[in-house]
Amino acid sequence: GDSVTQMEGPVTLSEEAFLTINCTYTATGYPSLFWYVQYPGEGLQLLLKATKADDKGSNKGFEATYRKETTSFHLEKGSVQVSDSAVYFCALVSGGYNKLIFGAGTRLAVHP
Amino acid sequence: GAVVSQHPSWVICKSGTSVKIECRSLDFQATTMFWYRQFPKQSLMLMATSNEGSKATYEQGVEKDKFLINHASLTLSTLTVTSAHPEDSSFYICSARDPARDTQYFGPGTRLTVL
Repeated sequence: GDSVTQMEGPVTLSEEAFLTINCTYTATGYPSLFWYVQYPGEGLQLLLKATKADDKGSNKGFEATYRKETTSFHLEKGSVQVSDSAVYFCALVSGGYNKLIFGAGTRLAVHP
Repeated sequence: GAVVSQHPSWVICKSGTSVKIECRSLDFQATTMFWYRQFPKQSLMLMATSNEGSKATYEQGVEKDKFLINHASLTLSTLTVTSAHPEDSSFYICSARDPARDTQYFGPGTRLTVL
């Protein structure tokens, strides 16, 4: 079945460091891909999405490009801030049921 | 972005009682809503898919008589945890799909603690 694999965390970075969180997927057909962020004690917020190959989603300095050839959707940010500390979930939707399939989540901790 | 609310944000109840959690889409009509459960430091586990006006579709291993879902309108779905036990303690999160934007938006979650 469809699945999402994320790099294991936690990821610990200093403020202003470059961030990459890897995400690869397995799916039949052509899924839509998402990154969600969860701040402590809160629900998930949509960070960005891409619906077809070569699309780039971007928001708040974060970017991810839908790479069909490598089945990847890696999340990047050029300069992280302490306020970016959260858990990041990669997810896909495929087929006709609109079910989101989540990766395990990657915890990011940014320190001053 | 679109807003989805949940109520209550947290609840503590005694073992054997039932608890109802509401999920509302505030600025769009959601034909489909989803209920998830999240254990500490883990990913979200889909419990069921709720379609307005029809019975919910439960994921394998989720007891439908234990977790009653009602999707009475295009902006409201409810999850009732019946005869709650301590092992039902968890963070319950709903999401609502905005068909116009083809995106799911999540509620802030409800933390349930069963004593």
